[in-house]
Amino acid sequence: QAQLVQSGGGEVQPGRSLRLSCAASGYSFTNHGMHWVRQAPGKGLEWVAVIWSHETDKYYADSVKGRFTISRDSSRNTVYLQMNSLRVEDTALYYCAKDIRSGSMDVWGQGTTVTVSS
Amino acid sequence: DIQMTQSPPSLSASVGDSVTITCQASQDISNYLNWYQQKPGKAPKLLIYRASNLETGVPSRFSGSGSGTDFTFTINSLQPEDIATYYCQQYDNLAMCSFGQGTKLEIK
Repeated sequence: QAQLVQSGGGEVQPGRSLRLSCAASGYSFTNHGMHWVRQAPGKGLEWVAVIWSHETDKYYADSVKGRFTISRDSSRNTVYLQMNSLRVEDTALYYCAKDIRSGSMDVWGQGTTVTVSS
Repeated sequence: DIQMTQSPPSLSASVGDSVTITCQASQDISNYLNWYQQKPGKAPKLLIYRASNLETGVPSRFSGSGSGTDFTFTINSLQPEDIATYYCQQYDNLAMCSFGQGTKLEIK
């Protein structure tokens, strides 16, 4: 069955960079878009970014635009989130999720924690 | 950007009750509205897609309705395992998404 396994994350100082990875298996990776969603401690879900099948087709939440970059490598069935110029408010549990149809996310990774602190 | 207003923020009900959560979009999103359930320490789970379609394997006591800007999510005959936080999520014609603020459901 479809599965997403996340890696990366950790604790970094403000202004530094971090890259998250999400490896997909059990389905046709190239046929589906991929999202990143985050959840700050004790808070709700916040959509971060999406990349569609055409790797140049990507969109971002205003809160991360210009700092985060989503990409995908079809040879590795992996989607990435490169996070630059990190801020304290980027501290969250980050999930990757598979798009099944027009923005609905049916398979989720296990989540990976990013802590931005001085 | 489209904003989603979800209410109530929290809800307490008894086993067997019916509960309803509403979600309002700041502009017309047709039926591009999904509902998720998130239990503590777990990733969200898709329950309803395109406003009213039940995801495979989801119990039929869950249902959704609405179109345009106003949407409703209902759980009939509430079960103890339904304790969770529920979120609406929209997808707009610019391929952007956003979530509602969430509704925390507790059992009396």
